Amino acid sequence: EAGVVQSPRYKIIEKKQPVAFWCNPISGHNTLYWYRQNLGQGPELLIRYENEEAVDDSQLPKDRFSAERLKGVDSTLKIQPAELGDSAVYLCASSADINTEAFFGQGTRLTVV
Amino acid sequence: AQSVTQLGSHVSVSEGALVLLRCNYSSSVPPYLFWYVQYPNQGLQLLLKYTSAATLVKGINGFEAEFKKSETSFHLTKPSAHMSDAAEYFCAVSDLGGTSYGKLTFGQGTILTVHP
Repeated sequence: EAGVVQSPRYKIIEKKQPVAFWCNPISGHNTLYWYRQNLGQGPELLIRYENEEAVDDSQLPKDRFSAERLKGVDSTLKIQPAELGDSAVYLCASSADINTEAFFGQGTRLTVV
Repeated sequence: AQSVTQLGSHVSVSEGALVLLRCNYSSSVPPYLFWYVQYPNQGLQLLLKYTSAATLVKGINGFEAEFKKSETSFHLTKPSAHMSDAAEYFCAVSDLGGTSYGKLTFGQGTILTVHP
């Protein structure tokens, strides 16, 4: 069974440019998470979806970040415009439901120059 | 709010030696606790989890952890380190209330180095 798939794996952009990340969760998983992992730190939750509904986006910087999960499957995370401080690894995870184990993708490493 | 403290950002052991990675948590309710491992340029892989059943939890790759409520600790151990255990390890606590239900709060991580 395929795991959580993220793309791209790496992205380098100039500041003020937009960027988007894509996540395909494990088939049948209703819960989807986006985490951000800064260098030398643990991941921090940005947003959690239950199907297509964002049920916890309290940590998402809404002035520049947006996310969507159309049809309750794939999800995209967008940053516009990117800032130098956005350089990090963006991890997507999914679980069958809120009470079960979350499986993580390999992440997208974003470098803003 | 939940929080996790991992004592020691770097731990170095010899191959065959005991591995001990320390984790203390803060939670207002009985927590769910997790240990994840992250290899370079990879995502996180679950090693083991505590969900209020047995206090001694066994995971993959020979790792285990013991939940000690009185010490608010969930330390990870392995009797004999292998070279392949070299990675970064994260302790995490799960929020069990409100809109943050299921949210994982991670510690800052401990990098384990294994010497031949």
